[in-house]
Amino acid sequence: AQSVSQHNHHVILSEAASLELGCNYSYGGTVNLFWYVQYPGQHLQLLLKYFSGDPLVKGIKGFEAEFIKSKFSFNLRKPSVQWSDTAEYFCAVNSYKAAGNKLTFGGGTRVLVKP
Amino acid sequence: DVKVTQSSRYLVKRTGEKVFLECVQDMDHENMFWYRQDPGLGLRLIYFSYDVKMKEKGDIPEGYSVSREKKERFSLILESASTNQTSMYLCASSLRAGGLTGELFFGEGSRLTVL
Repeated sequence: AQSVSQHNHHVILSEAASLELGCNYSYGGTVNLFWYVQYPGQHLQLLLKYFSGDPLVKGIKGFEAEFIKSKFSFNLRKPSVQWSDTAEYFCAVNSYKAAGNKLTFGGGTRVLVKP
Repeated sequence: DVKVTQSSRYLVKRTGEKVFLECVQDMDHENMFWYRQDPGLGLRLIYFSYDVKMKEKGDIPEGYSVSREKKERFSLILESASTNQTSMYLCASSLRAGGLTGELFFGEGSRLTVL
């Protein structure tokens, strides 16, 4: 079955530190890739997405992610975090090899940014 | 803005009760999804629907059923609630994107407690 792994369950860092969250998935072939964010008390919202083209994707709030097909990875990065980036982050993958419209999420990474 | 509305934010039910969770979206999206969100497990797909009266099982369909009689409405039904179904339930909708799933738009969630 299709699976998505996020390596870190919890990350704690200080403001202005750099952030990188890992995401790996199990299926090859054509994929759509997503990062979603859930701020405390809010609903999930899209940070960025990759469908095709440039593997370096820029999203909202200074986030970016790089799709490395050979490594089945889609890691999220931000060069300098702010306190307001405290949230839970979810990677999600949709693959033609899976049941077409099914979107599989990773377990999430809770990020705490200390002021 | 896309709006996905879940009928109940908080519910408390007793073991064995039948539970209905309603979800309505206002953007004419083909796809609708029900996920449950549990700490450390991320979002797990229960059922999804890619058209009216169509449904597909997700990863954890046991104990659940769904109904999609109209394009804008997708209901999740727990025929006989059990304590292990205590969770946050998230509804989402999306357009299709190249045969795969596009960006998901989420509702606020319904927190169900089964006593």
